[in-house]
Amino acid sequence: DAGITQSPRYKITETGRQVTLMCHQTWSHSYMFWYRQDLGHGLRLIYYSAAADITDKGEVPDGYVVSRSKTENFPLTLESATRSQTSVYFCASSELSTSGRGNEQFFGPGTRLTVL
Amino acid sequence: DQQVKQNSPSLSVQEGRISILNCDYTNSMFDYFLWYKKYPAEGPTFLISISSIKDKNEDGRFTVFLNKSAKHLSLHIVPSQPGDSAVYFCAATANTDKLIFGTGTRLQVFP
Repeated sequence: DAGITQSPRYKITETGRQVTLMCHQTWSHSYMFWYRQDLGHGLRLIYYSAAADITDKGEVPDGYVVSRSKTENFPLTLESATRSQTSVYFCASSELSTSGRGNEQFFGPGTRLTVL
Repeated sequence: DQQVKQNSPSLSVQEGRISILNCDYTNSMFDYFLWYKKYPAEGPTFLISISSIKDKNEDGRFTVFLNKSAKHLSLHIVPSQPGDSAVYFCAATANTDKLIFGTGTRLQVFP
């Protein structure tokens, strides 16, 4: 499917477990982003990547790890999940050079993660 | 420190009327502003944007106004329709690679 996809869509895990959320985009966009959405906080940037093998921290990176070995994939790993990481996670991608719309980001459908 | 603020968590408007969603920012380096719309169980989708060199941008029923001196922007929806019921996020960028989002405003348009 064209576009940006996330898997799984829903995940329940336990405190201390490792969890990996997957993100895949078919546009060959250079930039990819991970956000979490929490009530009262809006969308907060966790990590982003400007290209394969280039990643950088966002606003709330603690407890998360990312990698980007291929342009189209940007997995997010919670190494030891905590209850405070219960959230909805969105992946997004963008390409600066298109459409003249500035930094329009295209979002995936989200993953709802519950940590018990 | 919240650089982009949406002080109204919710707004309720009658169908056919104007909806006005507000957004304030603190960083004078922001040079591009965007509005995203989000339905439940979906990712946000881009709605409209404005460059800091403009004070208005219009796209159909949607108009964004920017007041740089007040560090304020607003999204006007005229006329409002029930399908506009969603959460609206304001976002801003200073260097075109990262967006800073506000906390969102839930708009409900009732018949």
